[in-house]
Amino acid sequence: DAKTTQPNSMESNEEEPVHLPCNHSTISGTDYIHWYRQLPSQGPEYVIHGLTSNVNNRMASLAIAEDRKSSTLILHRATLRDAAVYYCILGGYQKVTFGTGTKLQVIP
Amino acid sequence: EAGVAQSPRYKIIEKRQSVAFWCNPISGHATLYWYQQILGQGPKLLIQFQNNGVVDDSQLPKDRFSAERLKGVDSTLKIQPAKLEDSAVYLCASSLEPSGELFFGEGSRLTVL
Repeated sequence: DAKTTQPNSMESNEEEPVHLPCNHSTISGTDYIHWYRQLPSQGPEYVIHGLTSNVNNRMASLAIAEDRKSSTLILHRATLRDAAVYYCILGGYQKVTFGTGTKLQVIP
Repeated sequence: EAGVAQSPRYKIIEKRQSVAFWCNPISGHATLYWYQQILGQGPKLLIQFQNNGVVDDSQLPKDRFSAERLKGVDSTLKIQPAKLEDSAVYLCASSLEPSGELFFGEGSRLTVL
C-alpha cells in the first residue's frame, strides 16, 4: 500500500493560516489524496480530497504537488474548533488506510 | 439526511466472551467499511464491502473476527472470543463509491476486561 508521512504535531495561533504537510512518495496514478480530521471522542470527518489539481471547499484548500508526491492542507484561519488530529490518506478503489496523523493545537 | 448509525455505543465484556456491533450506512451508499481504532492510533481498516461482497479483509483477524453485510445494506461485526487487545473503538463508515468521501458513525467503544 502507498503510505503517507505527516508530522506528529503542529501548533498554530488562532485566526492565522495553517499549512499541514503530507508526503506520499509512493502514490499510484489512481490514488486520490484524502484529508480527514478527528475531534476527540468522535469519528473522523471528511475535510477535502483531490486527484491532481488543487481543490477548495468551504472548510479548507488542498494543494497538490505537480509530481503528486506531496500535498498540503491549508486552513485559511484557524479557530479553536479546528484543534483535531488531521489524517492524510490515499484511497482508490480499495483500502482507504489511515496513518497516525498530525495533532493540531490551536493557541488562543 | 440521516448519518451512519452504529450500536451499541459502549460495551464492556470479559475476555473470551463474544460481542457484536451493528452498522446502518447512509441510504444508497454501496461501500461500507469497518475500522478498529486503538487509543492513540489512527483507524485501521478491518474490512471493506462493496454492496454485499467483500473487497478487502486482509487485516481482519479471521480466527476471531467476522463481518457480514446481508442484502448490501446494514452490517454486523462480531468478535468471538474477545481478547484484551481488542479493546478499541470500532468505527463504521460508508461512501457512495470507493474513491469518494467517507462518512463515519460515532463508533462503538469496546472494553475487554
